Amino acid sequence: QSALTQPPSASGSPGQSVTISCTGTSSDVGAYNYVSWYQQLPGKAPKLIIYEVSKRPSGVPDRFSGSKSGNTASLTVSGLQTEDEADYYCSSYAGSTNVFGTGTEVTVL
Amino acid sequence: EVQLVESGGGLVQPGGSLRLSCTASGFTFSGHWMHWVRQAPGEGLVWVSHIRGDGTNSDYADSVKGRFTISRDNAKNTLYLQMNSLRAEDTAVYYCARAGVMGGNDYWGQGTLVTVSS
Repeated sequence: QSALTQPPSASGSPGQSVTISCTGTSSDVGAYNYVSWYQQLPGKAPKLIIYEVSKRPSGVPDRFSGSKSGNTASLTVSGLQTEDEADYYCSSYAGSTNVFGTGTEVTVL
Repeated sequence: EVQLVESGGGLVQPGGSLRLSCTASGFTFSGHWMHWVRQAPGEGLVWVSHIRGDGTNSDYADSVKGRFTISRDNAKNTLYLQMNSLRAEDTAVYYCARAGVMGGNDYWGQGTLVTVSS
């Protein structure tokens, strides 16, 4: 049950795009299309922004998109806005258990 | 409106026990898997445990297996986490979260802080 690997930080200017990777193994990310992404603002509970690799819950802007290739999932935030500055975590089903990523702090320059 | 409210956190000595509760409202509680996720101060999210809607199936992270027990009372719309043999490394904010029928954990509580220290 090792954590999925994410870059510690990512940044971009307003209006730009940023992509965060989430690397797992053939037992979690590579095995199932059950990758989710969460946004966590300081001092707040996580918020679901992507589920099943690329689906967006109601109310989540379409600036957020997800994809997967092999053992690596990705979250892209297009048209960065200041309110996107937060920590982002991926999560994957791992066959009876779940695992989160190490987290990425996104800074809007 | 879906609400999840955790309670039961606090300060406990190493080796001690604590039971967390998560009271749910605004949805059919028995229809959803429920999760416990924790976050140590300044650290990332870590999945702890989950339980099926009818309570017949549950799983745990290796780090808590044998020490923590998840359970639920669907008549009371309440999720529990019994934590025994607590260690300093169990210090964290503990969140309960609802597994959405569409995938992902779509609702989260505000968290309850557990501090294990002498």
